[in-house]
Amino acid sequence: DTAVSQTPKYLVTQMGNDKSIKCEQNLGHDTMYWYKQDSKKFLKIMFSYNNKELIINETVPNRFSPKSPDKAHLNLHINSLELGDSAVYFCASAGTNYGYTFGSGTRLTVV
Amino acid sequence: SQKIEQNSEALNIQEGKTATLTCNYTNYSPAYLQWYRQDPGRGPVFLLLIRENEKEKRKERLKVTFDTTLKQSLFHITASQPADSATYLCDTGVFKAAGNKLTFGGGTRVLVKP
Repeated sequence: DTAVSQTPKYLVTQMGNDKSIKCEQNLGHDTMYWYKQDSKKFLKIMFSYNNKELIINETVPNRFSPKSPDKAHLNLHINSLELGDSAVYFCASAGTNYGYTFGSGTRLTVV
Repeated sequence: SQKIEQNSEALNIQEGKTATLTCNYTNYSPAYLQWYRQDPGRGPVFLLLIRENEKEKRKERLKVTFDTTLKQSLFHITASQPADSATYLCDTGVFKAAGNKLTFGGGTRVLVKP
């Protein structure tokens, strides 16, 4: 009965590889987000989708590409991974009431 | 762009006392402020939202204030318990046609000692 689930929880990969993180929510929310939390614990928004439509696209390298096959899923694909991409990536969803529901995060380590 | 400032130093407090955390924002006045709790290895959990036209909001032992003149929100945990130990994040939001874009502070770690 997990509300927002992300997979995998941990991801260790080499520089230059391509990887994907998946996110699913069963809350019936219309809007989903990807956030990046760096080593200093700052949460920065990357993307937001509303009913499969991209509505927020922050200054993120083109190597990051979100995909939303339906409003319950928002995946994040990262090409040509770099050391600086190492961080914890959080998926979140929001409905008409305020307050985001976050997933438990994916810790990405690029070596 | 909006900048959120929270005290990056950890707040150590004795059980039973009130913990007070500060969240300052620059630039524009947000439509609302939210507070989240984050435990190690977990995602943030929503606690409270306060709108720009509200001065104070309460939920159980939690109280949030919003002062648009000072550009500041205070978050209080009364009768603190060791289980309240966590990092508390503040964020501001503005309303858009679809989807709210939040700007988070770096969080303040709270440690409640028995």
